[in-house]
Amino acid sequence: QLQLQESGPGLVKPSETLSLTCTVSGGSISSSSYYWGWIRQPPGKGLEWIGSIYYSGSTYHNPSLKSRVTISVDTSKNQFSLKLSSVTAADTAVYYCARMGYDILTGRHDAFDIWGQGTMVTVSS
Amino acid sequence: DIQMTPSPSSLSASVGDRVTITCRASQSISRYLNWYQQKPGKAPKLLIYAASSLQSGVPSRFSGSGSGTDFTLTINSLQPEDFATYYCQQSYTTPTSFGQGTKLEIK
Repeated sequence: QLQLQESGPGLVKPSETLSLTCTVSGGSISSSSYYWGWIRQPPGKGLEWIGSIYYSGSTYHNPSLKSRVTISVDTSKNQFSLKLSSVTAADTAVYYCARMGYDILTGRHDAFDIWGQGTMVTVSS
Repeated sequence: DIQMTPSPSSLSASVGDRVTITCRASQSISRYLNWYQQKPGKAPKLLIYAASSLQSGVPSRFSGSGSGTDFTLTINSLQPEDFATYYCQQSYTTPTSFGQGTKLEIK
């Protein structure tokens, strides 16, 4: 059964870079049928999509985060990673990684069907 | 960007009730609409994809309908474990976006 697990520091200082890794187990990240995404949820608030990556390295991200986001994939380790630079208190949130369906014929993305448990990241000095 | 607006933002209901939650998109998204359930401290769980397809393992009391801009999630015969927050998400275009959620509480 496919599982995702986020890992990384729980505390990041303002202006520094938040770095998280998602490890995929029970299946391969190198599937043509899925993208792999990051979603966050500030305390008491809703869900915000950050960005997604394909096993080939093709990425796209939420323009609202401008150029602060870098997402990468390591197929040899079955992992993908998120870097968010120049963080502020507004970036404090639970960060989730999730699998997103992808129709290779139409180029359409589907729902996030499998999620990690989430990891809380606090931005504070 | 496409905005997703849920209605209501919160709802009180009793065990056994039938509940309907709606989600409106700011432009047509065909049937690229997904529904999630989230309980406190837990990750969201996919319930419905493509507007009306039930995700594997999800009880049949959950159903979805709609197309274009207006969508509905219906829960028949509410169970105690259904009290949670429900989110809609459009996957029609990038950036994908979620509604702000509907919190379903026990009356």
